[in-house]
Amino acid sequence: DGGITQSPKYLFRKEGQNVTLSCEQNLNHDAMYWYRQDPGQGLRLIYYSQIVNDFQKGDIAEGYSVSREKKESFPLTVTSAQKNPTAFYLCASSISIANEKLFFGSGTQLSVL
Amino acid sequence: RKEVEQDPGPFNVPEGATVAFNCTYSNSASQSFFWYRQDCRKEPKLLMSVYSSGNEDGRFTAQLNRASQYISLLIRDSKLSDSATYLCVVTLSGSARQLTFGSGTQLTVLP
Repeated sequence: DGGITQSPKYLFRKEGQNVTLSCEQNLNHDAMYWYRQDPGQGLRLIYYSQIVNDFQKGDIAEGYSVSREKKESFPLTVTSAQKNPTAFYLCASSISIANEKLFFGSGTQLSVL
Repeated sequence: RKEVEQDPGPFNVPEGATVAFNCTYSNSASQSFFWYRQDCRKEPKLLMSVYSSGNEDGRFTAQLNRASQYISLLIRDSKLSDSATYLCVVTLSGSARQLTFGSGTQLTVLP
């Protein structure tokens, strides 16, 4: 079955540590996205990628980095510069940037030790 | 003012009840509207798109009021399995880049 796989489901970060969240899709979608969800808040866009080797900052990109070396993969690194990283992170994809229908992964809960 | 506002709830209703949620949006140029359902600590799933003429899918009815800038979701004959958070999503154009998510309305259907 086609879909989006996020791993790990739970992740813990120590102070000053960088951590990387994995996102893989086999839907052959061009566009991929990373969102952050905090309790009682809507999803906020961190980064997005329209196509391989391209990515753009979203609304809250500070303290995060991404890469898009393969069409299937869009990993997110939460750097030590992100002072409040505890949140639920969702990866999504769409056929193209012009298509509004999003397919989501099951999410990663990141917590700070 | 938030771009998309929802009553956070929680709405606690008995099984079989009818419940309605509203969502207001601030940008009158908004073009597309959606309702997503999200279970606790899981991914959002598209419930239905909202069309200008209103649309129905089984027990669910969505309506759009452009003049007052709000969309609504009506759930009839509530089931226990309807318990979830319902997210209102609005976009200015046909681009996922411009999707704006509301913070969600929590629904609990009680036996």
